[in-house]
Amino acid sequence: QVQLVESGGGVVQTGKSLRLSCAASGLTLSNYGIHWVRQAPGKGLEWLAAISFDGIKKYYRDSVRGRFTISRDKSKNTVSLQMNSLTTDDTSIYYCARGSDSVPVATAFDYWGQGTLVTVSS
Amino acid sequence: SFVLTQPPSVSAAPGKTAMMTCGGNNVGTKSVHWYQQRPGQAPVLVIYNDSDRPSGIPERFSGSNSGNTATLTISGVEAGDEADYYCQVWDSSSDHYVFGSGTKVTVL
Repeated sequence: QVQLVESGGGVVQTGKSLRLSCAASGLTLSNYGIHWVRQAPGKGLEWLAAISFDGIKKYYRDSVRGRFTISRDKSKNTVSLQMNSLTTDDTSIYYCARGSDSVPVATAFDYWGQGTLVTVSS
Repeated sequence: SFVLTQPPSVSAAPGKTAMMTCGGNNVGTKSVHWYQQRPGQAPVLVIYNDSDRPSGIPERFSGSNSGNTATLTISGVEAGDEADYYCQVWDSSSDHYVFGSGTKVTVL
């Protein structure tokens, strides 16, 4: 079965950190750009960050640059999102998605995980 | 930053056609991708590069893009097409991906 699986979500207090992971089964991540996208309750999709196949190029939306860090571990076929200084505005479902090319620029997201819920409480 | 504008809702009777737009400044010069998100589920890619369909997506789904408007058309709408639909582009001026606000499709 082809799928992406996110993990690491949960309830955390404001100002704390959380690390999300994205693993794949039935498909490879290593040759593709990988993205993180979030969706606040009842809201639309918001792209957060992307990493190239080789881990060299990274892209972030302005509101999370400096707080969130995307990285990948080729040996484990996983991609992570380290989130620091969390606020209640970060409460969302977090999805990882595979880009359709090695460089995460101007590509569609062809596979998505089911998401992991992050709740930031004050 | 680049903005994509989608109508909040569109409705169509079963078997009819549902069309939804995605507006943006010269969006016709960009590649537009469309995602379907059913309630409680993850998004699914239904159209990429303006008008291409991934394998497994019915031919009822089609897309076009020109000028300031991209369009997703669902022909022969079925109850299972009820979902939110999001358009997306890459904004090279900001190195950001941008999603539209989404259109909720209701099958009457």
